[in-house]
Amino acid sequence: DQQVKQNSPSLSVQEGRISILNCDYTNSMFDYFLWYKKYPAEGPTFLISISSIKDKNEDGRFTVFLNKSAKHLSLHIVPSQPGDSAVYFCAATRMNYGGSQGNLIFGKGTKLSVKP
Amino acid sequence: EPEVTQTPSHQVTQMGQEVILRCVPISNHLYFYWYRQILGQKVEFLVSFYNNEISEKSEIFDDQFSVERPDGSNFTLKIRSTKLEDSAMYFCASSRLRYGGHNEQFFGPGTRLTVL
Repeated sequence: DQQVKQNSPSLSVQEGRISILNCDYTNSMFDYFLWYKKYPAEGPTFLISISSIKDKNEDGRFTVFLNKSAKHLSLHIVPSQPGDSAVYFCAATRMNYGGSQGNLIFGKGTKLSVKP
Repeated sequence: EPEVTQTPSHQVTQMGQEVILRCVPISNHLYFYWYRQILGQKVEFLVSFYNNEISEKSEIFDDQFSVERPDGSNFTLKIRSTKLEDSAMYFCASSRLRYGGHNEQFFGPGTRLTVL
């Protein structure tokens, strides 16, 4: 049961252009969404997050958009740089009843290649 | 910048042997997690830990698994009798907030466990 789906296993973009990575989720109880970047032989590195009460969050070159009605979020990277080449994971979580931190449900990842 | 550390980076063991994977979370973090990633698959949640007890665990985290915080800094994952299918990258993560909101989880570099 894939609660978080990243349907594009790979994406190739020219340096300087926009990269758009997509993610869909099925569980309407999710209220917090995160994007992680992962290089080979390293752990996931947190990039940016968004709460379900917002529809956009921006941090430098990275912007995450959330469309709750469509259960869809996307990560925009502008401008893309060769160093952005990595696997990008979308993750979702929800507040547990007692207010504690929920575990992360990850998508399968999208491998981004930024060509010089 | 503080980071989560994990040892060893690679562990090779025989099927049926016990292994202990070690993690040092970020010092002011309160929540600790273990995730794993089987080669070619998504990152999967195993267990979360707060205030010296398990908060949540997945169905993967059966009786063969246990976690412990033996002192003020280490957080360990023990697999009592390893199986071939336990071969994976194991990631430790920690996060700061507990009540009232979300916070991102920071991941360690992972331990690659190979069961022969």
